[in-house]
Amino acid sequence: EVHLVESGGGLVQRGESLRLSCAASGFTVSSNYMAWVRQAPGRGLEWVSVIYTSGTTYYTDSVKGRFTISRDNSKNMVYLQMNSLTAEDASVYYCSRILVEPTGWIPFDIWGQGTVVTVSS
Amino acid sequence: DIQMSQSPSTLSASVGDRVTFTCRASQSISSWLAWFQQKPGKAPKLLIHKVSSLESGVPSRFSGSGSGTEFTLTISSLQPDDFATYYCQQYKTYPWTFGQGTRVEIK
Repeated sequence: EVHLVESGGGLVQRGESLRLSCAASGFTVSSNYMAWVRQAPGRGLEWVSVIYTSGTTYYTDSVKGRFTISRDNSKNMVYLQMNSLTAEDASVYYCSRILVEPTGWIPFDIWGQGTVVTVSS
Repeated sequence: DIQMSQSPSTLSASVGDRVTFTCRASQSISSWLAWFQQKPGKAPKLLIHKVSSLESGVPSRFSGSGSGTEFTLTISSLQPDDFATYYCQQYKTYPWTFGQGTRVEIK
């Protein structure tokens, strides 16, 4: 069975850094596209970042230059390094998988339970 | 960026009702549209991808249609487990964007 488990969330001060982790089981992250999606309290969903099997990465504009997505194939983990955090970054952060099939992509077919990031001013 | 707009924001319905909600894209996204269901305090769940392809295990009462800029999600007979918030999402172009959601509540 496939699973994603996020960790690393917490309370930080504005301007500080945090690294989120996502542990995958039942599949290998190196063979899949992986992404982070966030949800601010009481708000909708926002795609944050994606990492391809090739290592190519993309980010939403509001986090470019501050966040970095990466993976450790040996540990089957995905990470999100978040620097210079602001109040607008406070959210539940979800790790998710994107399936790439010959007929097209299947976005966010599995999700973790989320990890909460709170930013204090 | 492609803006996704869902309507209505809230829908009040009864068990057994047929419900339909709409998602509009600010520009054509071809068929690169997905629908998610989210219940309070839980992660979203993928229901449909590529407009109308039902995910494994998703009940057949859910169906999707549309193309280009206008899309619909239909629940043919609303069940108690279906009261939740539904999001559409385009994955044609980065940044991938979600609609603001339609909350289905008990009438």
